[in-house]
Amino acid sequence: DGGITQSPKYLFRKEGQNVTLSCEQNLNHDAMYWYRQDPGQGLRLIYYSQIVNDFQKGDIAEGYSVSREKKESFPLTVTSAQKNPTAFYLCASTGTGSPYEQYFGPGTRLTVT
Amino acid sequence: SQQGEEDPQALSIQEGENATMNCSYKTSINNLQWYRQNSGRGLVHLILIRSNEREKHSGRLRVTLDTSKKSSSLLITASRAADTASYFCATIPYGNNRLAFGKGNQVVVIP
Repeated sequence: DGGITQSPKYLFRKEGQNVTLSCEQNLNHDAMYWYRQDPGQGLRLIYYSQIVNDFQKGDIAEGYSVSREKKESFPLTVTSAQKNPTAFYLCASTGTGSPYEQYFGPGTRLTVT
Repeated sequence: SQQGEEDPQALSIQEGENATMNCSYKTSINNLQWYRQNSGRGLVHLILIRSNEREKHSGRLRVTLDTSKKSSSLLITASRAADTASYFCATIPYGNNRLAFGKGNQVVVIP
């Protein structure tokens, strides 16, 4: 089955530690996105990448970093500089055939204490 | 910045009733989309309506778009318990390829 996988589903970290969230897709999509979702709020764009080895900051990139070394993979690192990292993180992708419709992974819930 | 902005309501209805939710946005758009999110899950794309379209149907879903009022509505007819979810509208502004999401409408369908 084609789709997007995110792992792990739940992640717990101590304050001050960096943590990397995984996002993998086998849809052969060029563009990939990372969003953050807080309770009662919509999705806010952290980073996005339209092609391999290229990515752009979204609306709330501070305290986060990404890489796009492979088309299938777009990992997100939440650094210790992110002041309020506890949130639900969603990865998405779009393909050239339907460039506006985003396919989402199941999400990773990160809790930092 | 957020473009789509739903009426911030939680809707509770009986199974079989219709559910309507609204979305407004601020700038000219290329298209508007609606997504569904079940609790603790990723979003699922429901329907896309282009700026030159006024109404679109997909199964039990009906979406309208009024570009003069910068607003859209999503109607779910004959609701089912499985329709219980949060519904988000998202827009792609002109000259942009990034989706801007609203805050979502929570719909609870009581069996």
